[in-house]
Amino acid sequence: DAGVTQSPTHLIKTRGQQVTLRCSPKSGHDTVSWYQQALGQGPQFIFQYYEEEERQRGNFPDRFSGHQFPNYSSELNVNALLLGDSALYLCASSFGLAGNLYNEQFFGPGTRLTVL
Amino acid sequence: AQSVTQLDSHVSVSEGTPVLLRCNYSSSYSPSLFWYVQHPNKGLQLLLKYTSAATLVKGINGFEAEFKKSETSFHLTKPSAHMSDAAEYFCVVSEKGNTPLVFGKGTRLSVIA
Repeated sequence: DAGVTQSPTHLIKTRGQQVTLRCSPKSGHDTVSWYQQALGQGPQFIFQYYEEEERQRGNFPDRFSGHQFPNYSSELNVNALLLGDSALYLCASSFGLAGNLYNEQFFGPGTRLTVL
Repeated sequence: AQSVTQLDSHVSVSEGTPVLLRCNYSSSYSPSLFWYVQHPNKGLQLLLKYTSAATLVKGINGFEAEFKKSETSFHLTKPSAHMSDAAEYFCVVSEKGNTPLVFGKGTRLSVIA
């Protein structure tokens, strides 16, 4: 049973560019959440997708956007990259909004984004 | 709003000695609490979770944590540290029902041979 997968593993971009990160959830999961982990910090919630809609959003600017596809996979897009966007981006999957009573989420290995 | 405070940014223990990683939480509701571990260049792995069924929670690799509501604490312990336990540990709080996970800043555990 494949767990959560993310691509690419590493990415280097320059300021002002745009980037797309991808995530495939664990088999049987239908909800995807994205987190940003800056160096030396704990992950911070960006947003969550369920039924192809953004359901919850953390304190991130509109430059951060996402999408969920019918097969439950998801993309995170970041426009107009800033140096401060350099971080590890983690995808987490879970099952159902109402059914996941204890909110257990499974994390992928992350995409390391470096902005120069 | 919920939050967690991990009281130590770095803990160093000798192999074979007990591990204690401290976490205090704040939540308006009865929370779900988790401990995750992150090895270098790896994703986050769930160690254990508190879901109100029992206050003493056993997790993987010999770790356990005790939920103390009166102290708003959820400290992580292990009787005997192994070299492979060296990693970053995150205490996490969430209200039930798919609300966002709120992470602490992490505690780096070093294990000395």
